[in-house]
Amino acid sequence: EAQVTQNPRYLITVTGKKLTVTCSQNMNHEYMSWYRQDPGLGLRQIYYSMNVEVTDKGDVPEGYKVSRKEKRNFPLILESPSPNQTSLYFCASGNKGSQPQHFGDGTRLSIL
Amino acid sequence: GESVGLHLPTLSVQEGDNSIINCAYSNSASDYFIWYKQESGKGPQFIIDIRSNMDKRQGQRVTVLLNKTVKHLSLQIAATQPGDSAVYFCAGEARSSSASKIIFGSGTRLSIRP
Repeated sequence: EAQVTQNPRYLITVTGKKLTVTCSQNMNHEYMSWYRQDPGLGLRQIYYSMNVEVTDKGDVPEGYKVSRKEKRNFPLILESPSPNQTSLYFCASGNKGSQPQHFGDGTRLSIL
Repeated sequence: GESVGLHLPTLSVQEGDNSIINCAYSNSASDYFIWYKQESGKGPQFIIDIRSNMDKRQGQRVTVLLNKTVKHLSLQIAATQPGDSAVYFCAGEARSSSASKIIFGSGTRLSIRP
């Protein structure tokens, strides 16, 4: 089954404790991206990657890092999480360009 | 700044009626538009897309209309069913060979009255 898998689905942690949210897709897509979703703000792009070893900032990259060492994986790293990064995060992948995208089911992060 | 927005945060329709969800965008460079459906607890799912060289595209029970003059697009759902209850997002993309700029609207929650 074609899918985008995120882990963990839920995480409660404390300020400053480094965390990684993994994202994996099994569709051999070149394009992958991360979004955060906040009430009233819709989906905002954090980072995207158009291919292996190619990453670019989206609209809200501050406080986040990503890497794309292999095609299927695109982890999101929060080196020093802060409460304003409490949000619902989505990973997505796309074939032959960025759209349309297949989304994972989301990771809800709470930073205390 | 650039934006993609939806006219109404919520929309309630009678089961069996047609639904129309609207979206406006500001970036003239946007050349590709997509509608997504997001059900509770899930990620957005692709519904239908349209490129800027078209003004209408039809799918199964859904139609997207694009008016580039006024920078407006709409999603029409025919014979709305309970399973159509969800949040609907439009997204606009301006893409070059080396970069991609995607902006999502904030969403319209569609609820169905029995």
